[in-house]
Amino acid sequence: AQKVTQAQTEISVVEKEDVTLDCVYETRDTTYYLFWYKQPPSGELVFLIRRNSFDEQNEISGRYSWNFQKSTSSFNFTITASQVVDSAVYFCALSDPFSGGYNKLIFGAGTRLAVHP
Amino acid sequence: EAEVAQSPRYKITEKSQAVAFWCDPISGHATLYWYRQILGQGPELLVQFQDESVVDDSQLPKDRFSAERLKGVDSTLKIQPAELGDSAMYLCASSRGGNQPQHFGDGTRLSIL
Repeated sequence: AQKVTQAQTEISVVEKEDVTLDCVYETRDTTYYLFWYKQPPSGELVFLIRRNSFDEQNEISGRYSWNFQKSTSSFNFTITASQVVDSAVYFCALSDPFSGGYNKLIFGAGTRLAVHP
Repeated sequence: EAEVAQSPRYKITEKSQAVAFWCDPISGHATLYWYRQILGQGPELLVQFQDESVVDDSQLPKDRFSAERLKGVDSTLKIQPAELGDSAMYLCASSRGGNQPQHFGDGTRLSIL
């Protein structure tokens, strides 16, 4: 069965601190996709990144970076020099193209990040 | 503001009443999804459409929930009768298909009294 675990329920940091959000996934398939979404208080889920299982290169986008390690089934997300605007709930999600549906996303429970001035 | 349009933004109703949500996906997106997000949890897929056809409704409580996408564009999700446990955020998303990113609307926050 597929599963995504985000063990950190809530994280609180002071502005300019670096913070890492953990994501561990389970799947029996060799081909799959991983995603991160941000959910601000307004409620909309904002797409941040998609990574396929064959691409283990780390990715950096501005203050955001992602570390994909297939050996430990982890896809962690780091925010460098956090800002108050980063306060939100962050979701990691897994998609298995061979699970029977089209691109069904399995979400973790989310990590609530609070960045204080 | 989200490119996927949803209405209403908030809905408060009493149990046993009927409720309907509407979603207009991004133009050209053939795949449309309805998710339910209970407070403090991640979204869970209720139903998925490819054009006007349902491709996954395995988690949809079919005794009270129904969904349609008659012309393969906008979609309606209905609950009848509503129960207290249906209180949640209902999110609509769309994508170009395959494993392209899903883009979400602002959601409808439903409260059942």
